[in-house]
Amino acid sequence: NAGVTQTPKFQVLKTGQSMTLQCAQDMNHNSMYWYRQDPGMGLRLIYYSASEGTTDKGEVPNGYNVSRLNKREFSLRLESAAPSQTSVYFCASSEGTKETQYFGPGTRLLVL
Amino acid sequence: TQLLEQSPQFLSIQEGENLTVYCNSSSVFSSLQWYRQEPGEGPVLLVTVVTGGEVKKLKRLTFQFGDARKDSSLHITAAQPGDTGLYLCAGAKVRGFGNEKLTFGTGTRLTIIP
Repeated sequence: NAGVTQTPKFQVLKTGQSMTLQCAQDMNHNSMYWYRQDPGMGLRLIYYSASEGTTDKGEVPNGYNVSRLNKREFSLRLESAAPSQTSVYFCASSEGTKETQYFGPGTRLLVL
Repeated sequence: TQLLEQSPQFLSIQEGENLTVYCNSSSVFSSLQWYRQEPGEGPVLLVTVVTGGEVKKLKRLTFQFGDARKDSSLHITAAQPGDTGLYLCAGAKVRGFGNEKLTFGTGTRLTIIP
């Protein structure tokens, strides 16, 4: 049982480049999330999708877009990467928005 | 403004010592979860507390939910190097619309020195 998977694991971008982070879950969860975690800090919510077909902004949405492709997949897009977006990105899923969240292994992104 | 404040932010102690970390808020939560994140991995749920005053034990870890459901503590007895990690609390607010989501705390980074 894979749980939550994220691709890629590592990525280096130049300022201004774009990329999409992929996330998939096989637990039939309704809700999915994208967080960023900066060194020494906790999690900050970027966007979330409470259910298939809906997306909402979190605490730090600027510079990001998301797509809930289907119930399994939730992608995060950086249209024009900036050094301030250097971070570790975690995807998570849960049965409902107040339920236990299951996290992927993270994507480490460096923007030069 | 951070809804859930955790303290201390950093804690480094010797193996075998006891410690307590705290998760505080001015809001009331219907439930509170504790996660541990090890280096290079995503957070993993340790426990969920749902009743005011509830105490749950997980081996050497004791979790308590405040009577007013606004705060929680995690006590570790005889800390081991394997306890090293980032501890995060997360709360589900009492009142909210259908899509009310968990709010994560600021985190306590714990290092156990062998």
